[in-house]
Amino acid sequence: LAKTTQPISMDSYEGQEVNITCSHNNIATNDYITWYQQFPSQGPRFIIQGYKTKVTNEVASLFIPADRKSSTLSLPRVSLSDTAVYYCLVGVPGGFKTIFGAGTRLFVKA
Amino acid sequence: GAVVSQHPSWVICKSGTSVKIECRSLDFQATTMFWYRQFPKQSLMLMATSNEGSKATYEQGVEKDKFLINHASLTLSTLTVTSAHPEDSSFYICSARLPTGGLDNQPQHFGDGTRLSIL
Repeated sequence: LAKTTQPISMDSYEGQEVNITCSHNNIATNDYITWYQQFPSQGPRFIIQGYKTKVTNEVASLFIPADRKSSTLSLPRVSLSDTAVYYCLVGVPGGFKTIFGAGTRLFVKA
Repeated sequence: GAVVSQHPSWVICKSGTSVKIECRSLDFQATTMFWYRQFPKQSLMLMATSNEGSKATYEQGVEKDKFLINHASLTLSTLTVTSAHPEDSSFYICSARLPTGGLDNQPQHFGDGTRLSIL
């Protein structure tokens, strides 16, 4: 399983775009990149998943460069309710167990 | 979307008792479920992989006699913390994967966790 490295914490203000980058230098050919969001006392919630280039859904975008050794989760116009911990996971979602890294604690201020 | 339900969401019990936590996949069948433990301000730690109809696979350092896992059906896995002690107090979370259907990219879906407090 590829190891991931993320910033421990980030601060932002309401309405700003937030980009959280994850490094995964030893990503394997079959690995996907998946991001989860976790609020206190809740289980992680799936945000977005991608393999290469760019993926966008209703809540976020995921940018993956050609070498796939990193990825960036982009949250447009964050609000106070986006304050949470964000986890980047790398692996084959349908085939192997998931190992969580430390995650990034995002704090959105008014 | 896929829903995973955990029960109970919160339990307080006396030291020495056993506690059972249920994890259900509500709208899909899950041949594999996962159990995690999370301490305050820390990340999720995988405890074991629960396989329907067979024995669970435990991660290194997790006592299988302490944390009994049963996955008797395609929609239910249970975690029993036997003879619980205060150090077992934690947030326990389960997850399940949608059937792959030949695809490798089905993400895991998580329950909302069970907060266990042992007095």
